[in-house]
Amino acid sequence: ETGVTQTPRHLVMGMTNKKSLKCEQHLGHNAMYWYKQSAKKPLELMFVYNFKEQTENNSVPSRFSPECPNSSHLFLHLHTLQPEDSALYLCASTLAGGYNEQFFGPGTRLTVL
Amino acid sequence: EDQVTQSPEALRLQEGESSSLNCSYTVSGLRGLFWYRQDPGKGPEFLFTLYSAGEEKEKERLKATLTKKESFLHITAPKPEDSATYLCAVQGVGDNTDKLIFGTGTRLQVFP
Repeated sequence: ETGVTQTPRHLVMGMTNKKSLKCEQHLGHNAMYWYKQSAKKPLELMFVYNFKEQTENNSVPSRFSPECPNSSHLFLHLHTLQPEDSALYLCASTLAGGYNEQFFGPGTRLTVL
Repeated sequence: EDQVTQSPEALRLQEGESSSLNCSYTVSGLRGLFWYRQDPGKGPEFLFTLYSAGEEKEKERLKATLTKKESFLHITAPKPEDSATYLCAVQGVGDNTDKLIFGTGTRLQVFP
């Protein structure tokens, strides 16, 4: 595997389900991000992890719970979501501390019924 | 508050018809301005980083330029495979998380 991978690519869940999104980066980076992308809106930053420590939570509802066990893996745990949470969830990584571009995974298309 | 505005929202070009996309930004000290390309159902793909006014970068038919208030992505003689959404993002000096502030993008369609 190369770059940034995300699984699953598509997810349909009911409002009472619990599911998790997974992201893995193979680039030797030390910062990872979760973004939400909705139609007609800019990419919305959700969480930032630098060196496995959460450094930003952009006022995200508690029904989204991130986990970063090491600098290569990032999870987003989902529970009791709302239909308006349906979106493309993107993971990105970079080398922290410099003027470095972020590299994105292919995203998980989430539909909440 | 840091902000990015992209125009036009959508652009339709004939193959070979050159044009430019605009990214206007407001940021309290620019660390970098980034251009990405995004195809439907995929994640953004990195194109360029610009750091200071006057800087230019080129890649195939694309050329990015930067002033103190805006950036342009010039597309010369586009081909249908250049069809995608082009995203602009900025990173400010006051931030220690390297976060990017994105615009809503320009959806480009190039017809043969």
